Amino acid sequence: NAGVTQTPKFQVLKTGQSMTLQCAQDMNHEYMSWYRQDPGMGLRLIHYSVGAGITDQGEVPNGYNVSRSTTEDFPLRLLSAAPSQTSVYFCASSRTANYGYTFGSGTRLTVV
Amino acid sequence: SQQGEEDPQALSIQEGENATMNCSYKTSINNLQWYRQNSGRGLVHLILIRSNEREKHSGRLRVTLDTSKKSSSLLITASRAADTASYFCATTMNYGGATNKLIFGTGTLLAVQP
Repeated sequence: NAGVTQTPKFQVLKTGQSMTLQCAQDMNHEYMSWYRQDPGMGLRLIHYSVGAGITDQGEVPNGYNVSRSTTEDFPLRLLSAAPSQTSVYFCASSRTANYGYTFGSGTRLTVV
Repeated sequence: SQQGEEDPQALSIQEGENATMNCSYKTSINNLQWYRQNSGRGLVHLILIRSNEREKHSGRLRVTLDTSKKSSSLLITASRAADTASYFCATTMNYGGATNKLIFGTGTLLAVQP
């Protein structure tokens, strides 16, 4: 049972490049979320999904897109990377809103 | 702005002492959760307390919830060096689609000195 798997673990991008952060879970969880963590800011919600085909915006959605075509996968797309998107990104999943979330190990992204 | 704020921002105690962290939030909640994060790693879920509960225990952890004051506390008893980590509270709110969003506070950094 792998839990929540995020790839890649590290990434360096140039300003203006696009990329996709991958997130997959094998627990058949309906709820999945993406967060970014910056020093002193805690975790901020980017986008979330309550099931395949259903996504919604979180606290800081600008510059990011998501889709949820399967229960297992929830990729996060950076459309045109900016230095302000340098951060650690976490994907998490849960059965429903009344259960705790399982987190991936994170992707450390640097935009230069 | 973030829903939850933890207090204190940093806490240093000796091994064997109890550690208490507080969380205040702004709007009516569905549930409140506590997570631990070891340096550079993903978060680990510790405990969830629903809005109609006042206290929950899990091993050395005790969580209380006071919805009238919009606050929660996490008590770690008989702390160990391995408890050194950042602790975050997170809430799901009690209206519409916001029940599906888990919003985090800014965290408390706990250092347990051996």
